[in-house]
Amino acid sequence: GAVVSQHPSRVICKSGTSVKIECRSLDFQATTMFWYRQFPKQSLMLMATSNEGSKATYEQGVEKDKFLINHASLTLSTLTVTSAHPEDSSFYICSAVAGGSVKDEQYFGPGTRLTVT
Amino acid sequence: QKEVEQNSGPLSVPEGAIASLNCTYSDRGSQSFFWYRQYSGKSPELIMFIYSNGDKEDGRFTAQLNKASQYVSLLIRDSQPSDSATYLCAVKGPQGGSEKLVFGKGMKLTVNP
Repeated sequence: GAVVSQHPSRVICKSGTSVKIECRSLDFQATTMFWYRQFPKQSLMLMATSNEGSKATYEQGVEKDKFLINHASLTLSTLTVTSAHPEDSSFYICSAVAGGSVKDEQYFGPGTRLTVT
Repeated sequence: QKEVEQNSGPLSVPEGAIASLNCTYSDRGSQSFFWYRQYSGKSPELIMFIYSNGDKEDGRFTAQLNKASQYVSLLIRDSQPSDSATYLCAVKGPQGGSEKLVFGKGMKLTVNP
């Protein structure tokens, strides 16, 4: 299967600071990337859909000014958590799709565990 | 609103048994169906996908799709303790690769040695 990487894998930051998480598709070009958040023992929650060269589409209830998404190239999308607070502590996971076919599979990165102190 | 329902579980089976995981979906226009496995503290891993009615086998895993009944299942034969994880059913509609997946809440499977 296709490989998606995330960096960093784990980050601890202080309340009020911003954190950037990178998502890269290593062996394919990702037309679309998705960002998810998952709290302990809960389901995946889609935050936004990101297409290369265009603005991200955010899910209802997700603050676009707080979670800035940039999809600068076909292999890189970034999520910036601005003015992070302890309630933003979570497991952030990206995924990527290679093409525009309904049959194209979605591959997940390994995730980034964010802790805000 | 598109919904995907999975039995809440948890499901516990002895080693060597067949584990059966089920999923129903509400959108009759759904075209692609995926099963992901998620170990505790890790991200989901794609293990099976199916697009056509019937069965699709890959090693110990068999995915079954019945579009008329809006039902998709995953069978794990000869279950191993390493299969213990949460299994997520996901469904995609007809709009193409950029369309988001709709996930079920997941079923936790425990395989007892």
